[in-house]
Amino acid sequence: QKEVEQNSGPLSVPEGAIASLNCTYSDRVSQSFFWYRQYSGKSPELIMSIYSNGDKEDGRFTAQLNKASQYVSLLIRDSQPSDSATYLCALNQAGTALIFGKGTTLSVSS
Amino acid sequence: KAGVTQTPRYLIKTRGQQVTLSCSPISGHRSVSWYQQTPGQGLQFLFEYFSETQRNKGNFPGRFSGRQFSNSRSEMNVSTLELGDSALYLCASATGGLSYGEDIQYFGAGTRLSVL
Repeated sequence: QKEVEQNSGPLSVPEGAIASLNCTYSDRVSQSFFWYRQYSGKSPELIMSIYSNGDKEDGRFTAQLNKASQYVSLLIRDSQPSDSATYLCALNQAGTALIFGKGTTLSVSS
Repeated sequence: KAGVTQTPRYLIKTRGQQVTLSCSPISGHRSVSWYQQTPGQGLQFLFEYFSETQRNKGNFPGRFSGRQFSNSRSEMNVSTLELGDSALYLCASATGGLSYGEDIQYFGAGTRLSVL
C-alpha cells in the first residue's frame, strides 16, 4: 500500500465552486500533515499545515484531518482560475522524511 | 528575506557522467532536504542535512550523495548518471528540519537535470 494516496484527477470545477481534494495515508505514527500547491513548471509552495484532528481555516482554504480514519482533505471555497494547479498532500513520517502523494490536478474553469 | 536558491537551473549530462547541484537555504535555516520529482514517481525524499550531518536518508542508491557546509549551503552529487536520473531536483530548507514535525519546508525553484 502506498504511504500517501491521492486521486490524480483532473478535478474540474467551475469558477466560484468549492473544490474538495482528498488524501489518505497508511502510517498511523504520522502527526504532521501539509498541503502544497505546485503550478506547472514551478516548485511546491505551502498552502496549509495541520497537526490536530478537526478543521483549520485560512482564508478560502480549509484543511480537515481525521487521524482515526487516516484522512486529510483540503477544501477551496470560491475557486478561482488561478487555483488551477497540482495539489500535493504530504506527511512528516516520524521525523525521518517528508512523504508526498502524487498530487491531484485541479482545473477551475471561468 | 531571500528564498531558497538552487543552481544551476538546468543541466544536460550524458550517461556515466557525474553532476553536482547546489542549494543555498533561507538565512537562518539549518536544515536542507533534497527531493527528486519525476512524472512517474512524484516527489521523493532523498536526504536531509542538518548542521553538516546527514540526519535522514530516503531509499535511493549510493550514487546519490550530499554534503552540507558550515554556512548551511548544501550540495548534492549524483555519480555514474543513468537515463532514469532525469528529473527535477528540489531542495527545501527549514529551521529545525524533519525532527520538528511541525517545521515547514520551503522549496527552491529546482534544478532540471536531463541525462542523454
